[in-house]
Amino acid sequence: ETGVTQSPTHLIKTRGQQVTLRCSSQSGHNTVSWYQQALGQGPQFIFQYYREEENGRGNFPPRFSGLQFPNYSSELNVNALELDDSALYLCASSPPTSSAGPLFGQGTRLTVV
Amino acid sequence: EDQVTQSPEALRLQEGESSSLNCSYTVSGLRGLFWYRQDPGKGPEFLFTLYSAGEEKEKERLKATLTKKESFLHITAPKPEDSATYLCAVQGNFGNEKLTFGTGTRLTIIP
Repeated sequence: ETGVTQSPTHLIKTRGQQVTLRCSSQSGHNTVSWYQQALGQGPQFIFQYYREEENGRGNFPPRFSGLQFPNYSSELNVNALELDDSALYLCASSPPTSSAGPLFGQGTRLTVV
Repeated sequence: EDQVTQSPEALRLQEGESSSLNCSYTVSGLRGLFWYRQDPGKGPEFLFTLYSAGEEKEKERLKATLTKKESFLHITAPKPEDSATYLCAVQGNFGNEKLTFGTGTRLTIIP
């Protein structure tokens, strides 16, 4: 059973609006990553936070931003939404030491109309 | 830039018919190769981590193997509940936990 919880599960926004997606990780998971998964594609790395600092970014514009909080929760913010931002957004967290891969949440399905 | 290619894109098998999924990769310094299972509309579920060529991992009807250029996910006597998309991902030496994923293999097991 996953220890990563995302909210909301579904969201519909209008082009040009802003959106905030939330993720709650397991206690002790210092690293959180966000991914975008378009329909029929594999997840694409957006960015990662380690101890509240950004620690790596994929090929996404600055209108994608994030925050990580001391209580192991995090946010993904997207400004000026575009139709192509419609996707499943996944949060993944990693414990300090583990042979398992990053653990993913169930995702937030964002639809931009 | 790290790259992952999975084949086939889709695979339909009869229940009990064994097969293999392929994951070819290029990476600058492999820290780990990961297999995940993803059901429609859900997040990926972790299956295996492989670290070095020659390594093998098993879980129920699944067995993952790794060479220097590719990984295979072998499915033995599959059941309908094994139907899902199987994703392969690599983690390179970026100094972070970034995963580079393939597009997945959509597996359907027919009763």
